[in-house]
Amino acid sequence: GQQLNQSPQSMFIQEGEDVSMNCTSSSIFNTWLWYKQDPGEGPVLLIALYKAGELTSNGRLTAQFGITRKDSFLNISASIPSDVGIYFCAGRPPGGSEKLVFGKGTKLTVNP
Amino acid sequence: NAGVTQTPKFQVLKTGQSMTLQCAQDMNHEYMSWYRQDPGMGLRLIHYSVGAGITDQGEVPNGYNVSRSTTEDFPLRLLSAAPSQTSVYFCASSQRAGLNQPQHFGDGTRLSIL
Repeated sequence: GQQLNQSPQSMFIQEGEDVSMNCTSSSIFNTWLWYKQDPGEGPVLLIALYKAGELTSNGRLTAQFGITRKDSFLNISASIPSDVGIYFCAGRPPGGSEKLVFGKGTKLTVNP
Repeated sequence: NAGVTQTPKFQVLKTGQSMTLQCAQDMNHEYMSWYRQDPGMGLRLIHYSVGAGITDQGEVPNGYNVSRSTTEDFPLRLLSAAPSQTSVYFCASSQRAGLNQPQHFGDGTRLSIL
C-alpha cells in the first residue's frame, strides 16, 4: 500500500530557530495535509494543500505541495515553546477515496 | 458546536471483553472514520463511512466492527478484546465524501487491554 516517509523523526531546537520537516512517497497524492498533535489530544489541522506546486502559509507556518505530487514540506519560522508537539503529514491518494495515509510524525521539542 | 466527541476518554479491559467506543459529531458531516495510533506508527485507518448506512474497511479492520445508523454517530466495537488492541483510538469526520475536505479529529480514547 501507499506509504509516507516523514522526516526527521524528532527535532530538538532552541526558541527562535526555524524548523523544516518533510514527507515523501513513491506514490502520488491529490491532497497533502499537515496536522499538529499536542499531548493527550487529537490531531489539529494546520494547513491543507490541494494543488501541485501550491505554497500556503498560516501565520509562522508555511507548507508546499511538491510539483511531482510525491512530497510536501512544512516550515515553522521563529519557533516558540508552544510549537512543541508531534507534526503529522497526511496524503489523500487519487481515485476519489476519502482515505488518508499518515506519516509517522515528527516530534518537535523547543528549548526556551 | 462540540465538533467530534469521543467517549470514554480512558478504558481498561480484560482480554476477551467486549466494548463499544462512541463517536458523535454535530457538524452534519457525511464522512466519518476511526484510526488507531500506536507509538512510532502514526495513525492507521480502521474503518470508515461515507454516509449513514454505508461502511467500509480501512487498513487495519480485523477485530473491529462499525455501524452507521445515523449521520451523527459512528461507534466502534471490539467484540473480543486482545492485548494487541491496546492503543489510542481517534474518530474523525469531514463535511462530504468526495469534496476533498480536511478531516477533524476528536480527542481520542485511550484503551488498555490486560
